[in-house]
Amino acid sequence: GESVGLHLPTLSVQEGDNSIINCAYSNSASDYFIWYKQESGKGPQFIIDIRSNMDKRQGQRVTVLLNKTVKHLSLQIAATQPGDSAVYFCAENWAGGYQKVTFGTGTKLQVIP
Amino acid sequence: KAGVTQTPRYLIKTRGQQVTLSCSPISGHRSVSWYQQTPGQGLQFLFEYFSETQRNKGNFPGRFSGRQFSNSRSEMNVSTLELGDSALYLCASSLAAGENSPLHFGNGTRLTVT
Repeated sequence: GESVGLHLPTLSVQEGDNSIINCAYSNSASDYFIWYKQESGKGPQFIIDIRSNMDKRQGQRVTVLLNKTVKHLSLQIAATQPGDSAVYFCAENWAGGYQKVTFGTGTKLQVIP
Repeated sequence: KAGVTQTPRYLIKTRGQQVTLSCSPISGHRSVSWYQQTPGQGLQFLFEYFSETQRNKGNFPGRFSGRQFSNSRSEMNVSTLELGDSALYLCASSLAAGENSPLHFGNGTRLTVT
């Protein structure tokens, strides 16, 4: 039959506001989580990672929060800029899986100038 | 440091043909992974190589294969191409020095099968 494209959830944010992108992961054995940003025509770009022994990690303008109880991950972007417009993917892996990283479906972030 | 380099950038093939894609990892990275990205299925894991050995394989048919050379460069091959193989093929490298490390992606090879 005809394949249906994934419907990417879209988050529209005013420039200068904070953005929060959420992700539910599937494997309770996952112990390493990564956020990637993908701009049109490019490969995914690493943003920030977090290991399961932490619940929060901060980078430059970005913060990742991990809630293992409900298997939830979030990416917070402070003072969102037009250059932040992209598709954002969360990804999970576990130490026994070598580098078999599993990606979420992605969220499209649109920054309104 | 140069990033992950994938060649060619674009490819157009017809059904039944075969294709080889190439990937040069970041210098010092010994793990190379391949992913297929389509609008319908998102990012799907194909396989991962480390020190010339395939450590992991995704749920793709045997028409998809790969290899890694002693200099860590990798190739993937798709034989008997089907229309559904049209996709962006992404290569990623990582240190993978015993514990998890982030994947660093190239910009992909866009394969169109007609």
